[in-house]
Amino acid sequence: DTGVSQDPRHKITKRGQNVTFRCDPISEHNRLYWYRQTLGQGPEFLTYFQNEAQLEKSRLLSDRFSAERPKGSFSTLEIQRTEQGDSAMYLCASSLMTFSSYNEQFFGPGTRLTVL
Amino acid sequence: DAKTTQPNSMESNEEEPVHLPCNHSTISGTDYIHWYRQLPSQGPEYVIHGLTSNVNNRMASLAIAEDRKSSTLILHRATLRDAAVYYCIPDTGNQFYFGTGTSLTVIP
Repeated sequence: DTGVSQDPRHKITKRGQNVTFRCDPISEHNRLYWYRQTLGQGPEFLTYFQNEAQLEKSRLLSDRFSAERPKGSFSTLEIQRTEQGDSAMYLCASSLMTFSSYNEQFFGPGTRLTVL
Repeated sequence: DAKTTQPNSMESNEEEPVHLPCNHSTISGTDYIHWYRQLPSQGPEYVIHGLTSNVNNRMASLAIAEDRKSSTLILHRATLRDAAVYYCIPDTGNQFYFGTGTSLTVIP
């Protein structure tokens, strides 16, 4: 257990439905990252936050994907109008960004999404 | 994006050293090289990182070529718990690009 939790662990939905995933980072970590991982591939970077600011979102896969971190603590990733191609593992990671120490990312267990 | 090339898979006998290579010929001079691994059904975990000189920690050693176009992760005595996918990741700022990694099988 890394201290990063994700909820739910599994989600099955029908095509066209909206889904929302939650990530709770390690409490003192100021950075939070979202990745997507499909079978046989490494994690694919989607977006990241520093505190509540979303500093990079150009890698979000389409405008159906959005993420928030409203108070700089937990984050949500929403996928609207899901498609079968969205089926994947969605991973969250957090880190403590300082200029004097290594910015190690700690990953959660992931949320596995299946779109029928 | 800096690209990496790693063998798709490698095997090692238990308690023997393992050398996992990575080519990252497009890396810039200030990019750190990170190694993470992903055990089955888990999220990735940090292994080691370095910039120019060789690095050691309790998990592994990292040997970085003088021209920085390649690096080698060294597990000194492979155990069954080291069976995982190992990712070599050049640090291009704040984004990690994992690639497909090397799947390590440890044979008892």
